[in-house]
Amino acid sequence: QKEVEQNSGPLSVPEGAIASLNCTYSDRGSQSFFWYRQYSGKSPELIMFIYSNGDKEDGRFTAQLNKASQYVSLLIRDSQPSDSATYLCAVNYFGNEKLTFGTGTRLTIIP
Amino acid sequence: GAVVSQHPSWVICKSGTSVKIECRSLDFQATTMFWYRQFPKQSLMLMATSNEGSKATYEQGVEKDKFLINHASLTLSTLTVTSAHPEDSSFYICSARDGGGSGANVLTFGAGSRLTVL
Repeated sequence: QKEVEQNSGPLSVPEGAIASLNCTYSDRGSQSFFWYRQYSGKSPELIMFIYSNGDKEDGRFTAQLNKASQYVSLLIRDSQPSDSATYLCAVNYFGNEKLTFGTGTRLTIIP
Repeated sequence: GAVVSQHPSWVICKSGTSVKIECRSLDFQATTMFWYRQFPKQSLMLMATSNEGSKATYEQGVEKDKFLINHASLTLSTLTVTSAHPEDSSFYICSARDGGGSGANVLTFGAGSRLTVL
């Protein structure tokens, strides 16, 4: 069974610091990797996606992918209280439109 | 960007009744939409894949006769929870892929529908 694993947290980070969120996946056939942010009671919203090894930066967010080690991470620089949310990692497998989600990591930014 | 509209945002119903949830892609055509369910403090679980003009594909353990999915047009999919019971109370979220985008399988989510069955 294809699995996506995340530490459920909560992860507490001081305002202005770097928040680091990690995700591992079990299937080496995984093709694309997504980070979604979900505020309490709301639906997920896409932060960014990555499908090549290495880093991808978008504003304060950096996604890092290491296919050999089967992990993907999300770094949030200059963390703000508004970044407090649950962050969901999702994986897409080649030839399959479905996304498999991890359980999410709850992040709290402390002012 | 792609927008997915979901309605209603919340609904309360009596046990034994049926509830219909609509999911619309507003500015793009979606041949495929996905229905997820999320219980409190849990992740999103895919219930079914809705295919325009054909039968939905249900995930293992999801009762197709209880969760009826209709995808009659390229912009509308509906999920009907039939004979709802309290254990069906959950957050139901639809999503769709805008095929004209980056090529990655980026899903846009609706705002979700919170169902409470009394």
